[in-house]
Amino acid sequence: QLQLQESGPGLVKPSETLSLTCNVSGDSIKSNNYYWGWIRQPPGKGLEWIGSLYYSGDTYYNPSLKSRVTISVDTSTNQFSLRLISVTAADTALYYCARHTSIGFTSGSYASWFDPWGQGTLVTVSS
Amino acid sequence: SSELTQDPAVSVALGQTVRITCQGDSLRNYYASWYQQKPGQAPVVVIYGRNNRPSGIPDRFSGSSSGSTASLTITGAQAEDEADYYCNSRDSSGPVVFGGGTKLTVL
Repeated sequence: QLQLQESGPGLVKPSETLSLTCNVSGDSIKSNNYYWGWIRQPPGKGLEWIGSLYYSGDTYYNPSLKSRVTISVDTSTNQFSLRLISVTAADTALYYCARHTSIGFTSGSYASWFDPWGQGTLVTVSS
Repeated sequence: SSELTQDPAVSVALGQTVRITCQGDSLRNYYASWYQQKPGQAPVVVIYGRNNRPSGIPDRFSGSSSGSTASLTITGAQAEDEADYYCNSRDSSGPVVFGGGTKLTVL
């Protein structure tokens, strides 16, 4: 059964770098047709997609965060990571990792979804 | 900009049918996926693709789409369905977007 688990510091100082890792177990991160994504949720607010990555290194990011975000993969450890620079209090959130499926149909339609999700890890930005 | 719009809150009487909607231009080409999030828990996908339910999701959950509007329908809502529901899609240029969420209250 595929499981994802986030890990990393729970407290980051303003202007510093937030770094999180997602450990994937139960399947290879090199599985075809799957991306791996990061999503965050500020306390009491909605979900915000941060970015997604394919095991080959192909990445795409939320345009609003693109200048500060890097998502990378380590296939040897079956993990992928998030790096967010120059954080502020607005980056305080519950950070989730998830497997991201994105496929096209012969009809010309597409589908994209996240499943499963990790349990999430709270990162607070504060001095 | 890419946006998905949801009603902030919806209520339904126990056992009745409720429809939660999501509007956005990207939905003309992308099927919406729907997530249920209960307090203190990670989101769980309940509908993806045209109208697919992951194993373990009750068949009272269904999805549909028309033009730029996607809908999640719960037929015979149960008390345990009270939760926040988010829609999700991709913009044609690539970015992924989530709706703002709908808080469902089961009366």
